Amino acid sequence: GAVVSQHPSWVICKSGTSVKIECRSLDFQATTMFWYRQFPKQSLMLMATSNEGSKATYEQGVEKDKFLINHASLTLSTLTVTSAHPEDSSFYICSARELDTGELFFGEGSRLTVL
Amino acid sequence: GEDVEQSLFLSVREGDSSVINCTYTDSSSTYLYWYKQEPGAGLQLLTYIFSNMDMKQDQRLTVLLNKKDKHLSLRIADTQTGDSAIYFCAERDGNTPLVFGKGTRLSVIA
Repeated sequence: GAVVSQHPSWVICKSGTSVKIECRSLDFQATTMFWYRQFPKQSLMLMATSNEGSKATYEQGVEKDKFLINHASLTLSTLTVTSAHPEDSSFYICSARELDTGELFFGEGSRLTVL
Repeated sequence: GEDVEQSLFLSVREGDSSVINCTYTDSSSTYLYWYKQEPGAGLQLLTYIFSNMDMKQDQRLTVLLNKKDKHLSLRIADTQTGDSAIYFCAERDGNTPLVFGKGTRLSVIA
């Protein structure tokens, strides 16, 4: 099946630094990618919808200046957590919608720990 | 907005069947999904069902959909310890993003 790769899988950073997480569709093209955040023992909350070549659409309550999303190509979307703080520590998961079929595929997630 | 509800915990004995239930509010849901998440891992798609179906079976997994009551269930036959995980119900309408339930933590007792 189609594969969505996230990198890095784990990242630890100091408070105040910025962290970039990549989401790649390895063997298909994705015009739309979604970024989710999952707190421990909780469900996935949609953060934003990323469309190739245009600005991301953020869900209510998600700071767009804090969580920068770029979808520069049909196979890559990036989420940058700017000036990270401990409360940003979370599991971030992306999903990509295959252009041809509309199927959704999930990445393995990226665990961010901010010290 | 749309809402998806699941019970939070389920405990079963190895070899028994597990039934995880889910209710949703969006009457225009087109696709309904079950995902499995093991500790520290991403989501694994288990199965999905279109809203015009009422049952789908895939090996040990049986999905039942009652569209009138907006109720979805996942039955796992002959539950094994490797089935211990969190199971998420999710729904979407057309090209909208998935809306997830809070997940049901399945514990399998040997």
